[in-house]
Amino acid sequence: QVQLVQSGAEVKKPGASVKVSCKASGYTFTSYDINWVRQATGQGLEWMGWMNPNSGNTGYAQKFQGRVTMTRNTSISTAYMELSSLRSEDTAVYYCARGRRFLNGVSLDVWGQGTTVTVSS
Amino acid sequence: EIVLTQSPGTLSLSPGERATLSCRASQSVSSSYLAWYQQKPGQAPRLLIYGASSRATGIPDRFSGSGSGTDFTLTISRLEPEDFAVYYCQQYGSSFGGGTKVEIK
Repeated sequence: QVQLVQSGAEVKKPGASVKVSCKASGYTFTSYDINWVRQATGQGLEWMGWMNPNSGNTGYAQKFQGRVTMTRNTSISTAYMELSSLRSEDTAVYYCARGRRFLNGVSLDVWGQGTTVTVSS
Repeated sequence: EIVLTQSPGTLSLSPGERATLSCRASQSVSSSYLAWYQQKPGQAPRLLIYGASSRATGIPDRFSGSGSGTDFTLTISRLEPEDFAVYYCQQYGSSFGGGTKVEIK
């Protein structure tokens, strides 16, 4: 079945970087965009950006420009999201999600299980 | 950047009642890019509606979406116990709305 499996929880110090992975299975990895979304505890969903695994093209939310990098390794069907210069406000659950284009719409149809990133000194 | 505003913030209803959730955009949004998601505590979001009005696979027909331009609506015709959750709208490739929590009255 189609699924996205993310890497495990991370604890980082302020100023450090974190790299979260998202392994796709059950479909052709290069045929669908991967989006990243985060959610702080008790808060709403925050879209961070997208990546086209085929071309490597990316688009980032303005808030994260300069701090986020989305990459991929097509040989192992895995997408990565690296966030640098971490601060306490980056403590959140990070999700990857597949962007699917339907006949009359486009949306995030499959989600990873989430990766908890804690930033603490 | 388009801002999506959801209302109300919280909706208190009883099972069997009808729920109407609003998502208003700060400028016109293509209906093709408007989706609704459901999220329960401790779970990843789940796609409900894409293209403003098309139900995703496996979504019961009590869920329906409508709207165009700047005003979109998610309607749950008769609330089931499993429908009490938080609902988000999103313009694909952009921000989410702040969410509406549907709670048991």
